[in-house]
Amino acid sequence: SAVISQKPSRDICQRGTSLTIQCQVDSQVTMMFWYRQQPGQSLTLIATANQGSEATYESGFVIDKFPISRPNLTFSTLTVSNMSPEDSSIYLCSVGQTNEKLFFGSGTQLSVL
Amino acid sequence: SQQGEEDPQALSIQEGENATMNCSYKTSINNLQWYRQNSGRGLVHLILIRSNEREKHSGRLRVTLDTSKKSSSLLITASRAADTASYFCATADRGSTLGRLYFGRGTQLTVWP
Repeated sequence: SAVISQKPSRDICQRGTSLTIQCQVDSQVTMMFWYRQQPGQSLTLIATANQGSEATYESGFVIDKFPISRPNLTFSTLTVSNMSPEDSSIYLCSVGQTNEKLFFGSGTQLSVL
Repeated sequence: SQQGEEDPQALSIQEGENATMNCSYKTSINNLQWYRQNSGRGLVHLILIRSNEREKHSGRLRVTLDTSKKSSSLLITASRAADTASYFCATADRGSTLGRLYFGRGTQLTVWP
């Protein structure tokens, strides 16, 4: 299993600002993903965080809006840039050694005013 | 589309009754997984079924998979109030090298004591 620490747990931000979310894992993991969960909705995959290289973004998500870093096998950050109220969501970090079982952080509840 | 379709969107039952949730998907898969999310928390992995399996059991959980219909069902037997949560299916696409999982829309299960 993996223990994931995700920070902050929640934040309220002003329109036009940026927020960086951190994901720290207690062990080295092969796979690390960032998901978004809009209110009352399912999880949408934003990107795969690749260690030592650029993240792989899903359709509809771009690096300028959601820059991601993964400097090593235990840590990643997701930045939500130039925020608007439409960015209000829960952002979830997810990790796994294989895709047969993912572990999730407790999420970051973001509200943009 | 990233998401599969789940039904029902919401299910309300009494303790002791069985709960059945269904999931349909669109692509060829390596495996299908079910996750549980308590309100405001991260997701927890429940059970995985591989594409060459038809049925799997784990405690009070029973999962079936019909790859010809691209559908799966999750049965929770003898439900308890503590089973109240959202349940999501997630698929791992065949041929995907990045191990990404795509989640269904989820079923909100409420079990009344």
